[in-house]
Amino acid sequence: EDKVVQSPLSLVVHEGDTVTLNCSYEVTNFRSLLWYKQEKKAPTFLFMLTSSGIEKKSGRLSSILDKKELFSILNITATQTGDSAIYLCAVFTQGGSEKLVFGKGTKLTVNP
Amino acid sequence: DAGVIQSPRHEVTEMGQEVTLRCKPISGHNSLFWYRQTMMRGLELLIYFNNNVPIDDSGMPEDRFSAKMPNASFSTLKIQPSEPRDSAVYFCASRPGGGNQPQHFGDGTRLSIL
Repeated sequence: EDKVVQSPLSLVVHEGDTVTLNCSYEVTNFRSLLWYKQEKKAPTFLFMLTSSGIEKKSGRLSSILDKKELFSILNITATQTGDSAIYLCAVFTQGGSEKLVFGKGTKLTVNP
Repeated sequence: DAGVIQSPRHEVTEMGQEVTLRCKPISGHNSLFWYRQTMMRGLELLIYFNNNVPIDDSGMPEDRFSAKMPNASFSTLKIQPSEPRDSAVYFCASRPGGGNQPQHFGDGTRLSIL
């Protein structure tokens, strides 16, 4: 059974801290790994990673994939209170049923 | 551009009642997905459609759940009869067909079955 595991489940930091969120996966027919940010409503897309070792960056957020070790990390530098959210990792599989398999998320709280 | 539109935003009903959730995907997107999110289980895929055809419904919990997509711009998820354990947030997502494309989510329907 396809599985995506995120850690930690929750994290509380102060503004200005740097955080690293982890995502490991065991799936058949890996196609890509995606990170989403979920605040109060819909998950919003952050990154899609398909190749190992290539960092994707958007402002203070960055992410990288290791297809050999089957994991990805999401880094947030100089955290702000607006970064408080649940961060979801998902793996897109290919084959007869193309679907996203989600981890349970990491709840990040950034305190002022 | 309008995103994925779901209705209603909130639904509170008594157990045994029929519940219908609605979704309008982003125009031009070929694939549509229904998810359920709970604290215990996270986001779970219920069913997905490609070009209006159901492709994988292995996540549908039981026969009480059914989904339809009569055309490219509309889908429904129906629960009949509803039970308290169906209480959750139900998300609809869509994505363009072909290649590696992210899914775009609606704001969800928060369903409470009393």
